Amino acid sequence: SQKIEQNSEALNIQEGKTATLTCNYTNYSPAYLQWYRQDPGRGPVFLLLIRENEKEKRKERLKVTFDTTLKQSLFHITASQPADSATYLCALDMNQAGTALIFGKGTTLSVSS
Amino acid sequence: DAMVIQNPRYQVTQFGKPVTLSCSQTLNHNVMYWYQQKSSQAPKLLFHYYDKDFNNEADTPDNFQSRRPNTSFCFLDIRSPGLGDAAMYLCATSRDYREGNFGPGTRLTVT
Repeated sequence: SQKIEQNSEALNIQEGKTATLTCNYTNYSPAYLQWYRQDPGRGPVFLLLIRENEKEKRKERLKVTFDTTLKQSLFHITASQPADSATYLCALDMNQAGTALIFGKGTTLSVSS
Repeated sequence: DAMVIQNPRYQVTQFGKPVTLSCSQTLNHNVMYWYQQKSSQAPKLLFHYYDKDFNNEADTPDNFQSRRPNTSFCFLDIRSPGLGDAAMYLCATSRDYREGNFGPGTRLTVT
């Protein structure tokens, strides 16, 4: 069956450091992979989408990589701030089969000042 | 601003009493999704519509039904809520399965 794993449930780092979150998947061949931020009691907010033919995508302090051979995506937040504290979810879509977004459980990031 | 709206934000229902959650969008997106999210868990896809085509996930209980009368509106009906159905219900939209736009969610409590 399809499976999405995010490396850890919680990640604690100090302000200014780079946070790296991992998303691994099995039994998928996604056309693209997405990352979302979710704050407590709120719906997820879209951050970045990366396609299978893209190695890396950047948006301000965010960077996403996508390795279809390893079946892995890395999500980096550079110069992290306490305001970055939230749960980060990765989500996959099936390649050409046309199904919908399936989410991982998420990693809760805490940035301390 | 274009957005996804969910009503109500909080819903309390009694065990076994049917309840309907609503979602509307001003984005004119062709795909609408319903997710169930319990505490510290991943959002779980219940079903989605691609235009008028309904797609049910294999493990979605029969107790959950959905209607999409037009592009803008989508409803989630829970026919006989059980205590295990207490959760946050999230509606989302996208254009052709790309980036998802989520509503604020409806927190359902079953008493």
